[in-house]
Amino acid sequence: KQEVTQIPAALSVPEGENLVLNCSFTDSAIYNLQWFRQDPGKGLTSLLLIQSSQREQTSGRLNASLDKSSGRSTLYIAASQPGDSATYLCAVIDFGNEKLTFGTGTRLTIIP
Amino acid sequence: GAVVSQHPSRVICKSGTSVKIECRSLDFQATTMFWYRQFPKQSLMLMATSNEGSKATYEQGVEKDKFLINHASLTLSTLTVTSAHPEDSSFYICSASQLYFQETQYFGPGTRLLVL
Repeated sequence: KQEVTQIPAALSVPEGENLVLNCSFTDSAIYNLQWFRQDPGKGLTSLLLIQSSQREQTSGRLNASLDKSSGRSTLYIAASQPGDSATYLCAVIDFGNEKLTFGTGTRLTIIP
Repeated sequence: GAVVSQHPSRVICKSGTSVKIECRSLDFQATTMFWYRQFPKQSLMLMATSNEGSKATYEQGVEKDKFLINHASLTLSTLTVTSAHPEDSSFYICSASQLYFQETQYFGPGTRLLVL
């Protein structure tokens, strides 16, 4: 059974700093991996989707990498801003499956 | 494009009543919809997968008689929490995907349920 873990559970950094969020998964036979953002009491906003054949995806200040063989993904946020404060979730879809398995989330706080 | 709405956004009910939550794909046809539950400070847990015109598939541990799911059209799925109890209080989120298997899921804004 696929398990997705995110470390750390919470992270606080000063505004302007670059930061990395980590995601690990136990079964490397994935179809894709997705990073989401969730604001308190709100739904999910998709940030980046990486197909299993890809190594990274970029959108603005965000860069997500995927190392399928080691079961790891990172989300790099450059020049952090207070508006980046949210919970970040990663999720994977396994091959032969249409279900998303979500990680435990990292609660990010950017200190002005 | 690819907008999913949920209604209501918040609901408060008394213990023992039933609550219906709607999930709509506004600008695309969703052959598959997913229902998730999220407890405070926890991640999303898949409850069930529904395909248009067929019975929903429930995850292990989810009572199908308590959480009734109907996916009667390509744009609407409903989740009914029957005889709700305080432990059913949670954040319920739906997602919808288009025609193909493993297609990207688009998420609704969620429904906050509080059972008194």
